[in-house]
Amino acid sequence: AQRVTQPEKLLSVFKGAPVELKCNYSYSGSPELFWYVQYSRQRLQLLLRHISRESIKGFTADLNKGETSFHLKKPFAQEEDSAMYYCALYSGGYQKVTFGTGTKLQVIP
Amino acid sequence: GAGVSQSPSNKVTEKGKDVELRCDPISGHTALYWYRQSLGQGLEFLIYFQGNSAPDKSGLPSDRFSAERTGGSVSTLTIQRTQQEDSAVYLCASSSGWTTGGIDEQYFGPGTRLTVT
Repeated sequence: AQRVTQPEKLLSVFKGAPVELKCNYSYSGSPELFWYVQYSRQRLQLLLRHISRESIKGFTADLNKGETSFHLKKPFAQEEDSAMYYCALYSGGYQKVTFGTGTKLQVIP
Repeated sequence: GAGVSQSPSNKVTEKGKDVELRCDPISGHTALYWYRQSLGQGLEFLIYFQGNSAPDKSGLPSDRFSAERTGGSVSTLTIQRTQQEDSAVYLCASSSGWTTGGIDEQYFGPGTRLTVT
């Protein structure tokens, strides 16, 4: 069964410091991975997906199949990055998308 | 176009009462998900509808929870004999399924905040 693990419930960093939100997944095939974000009082929304290989709001994430990881990174945290971040995995066919339990990022001014 | 809508936005109910939460997905989206978001618990999957396939109910926490999707569009999540631990924000999301670039993203509704007193 597919599984997504986000080991940190809360990550606090200072403004300007690098950020890494960890995501590990369990799936033997070729997964599709996503990061979703929920800012305060806003809807949960897609941040980025590994297929598009793009940088959104300065965030990037690289799929590492060897380590089964899809960590989200940003070199310099901004206060507006404070939000709840969820990693999600899709394993193909009619399978549902599986979300991790989320990491709350708190950027300290 | 219109996004995913949910109603009511807030619901306060007494323990033991039944509640119905409604989700209107984006028109044409074949996939519909229900999640529960509790403080400190993150996003908990409840149920998944995909087209005419049998729903994936593996996330429903007890038989007090049920959901249906009529005509492949609107969905209703029903919680019978509500308990205080059912208090949470219930989120609905829809997706078109697949695009040329892979699986489509999920579009989330604003949620229904359920409080059981």
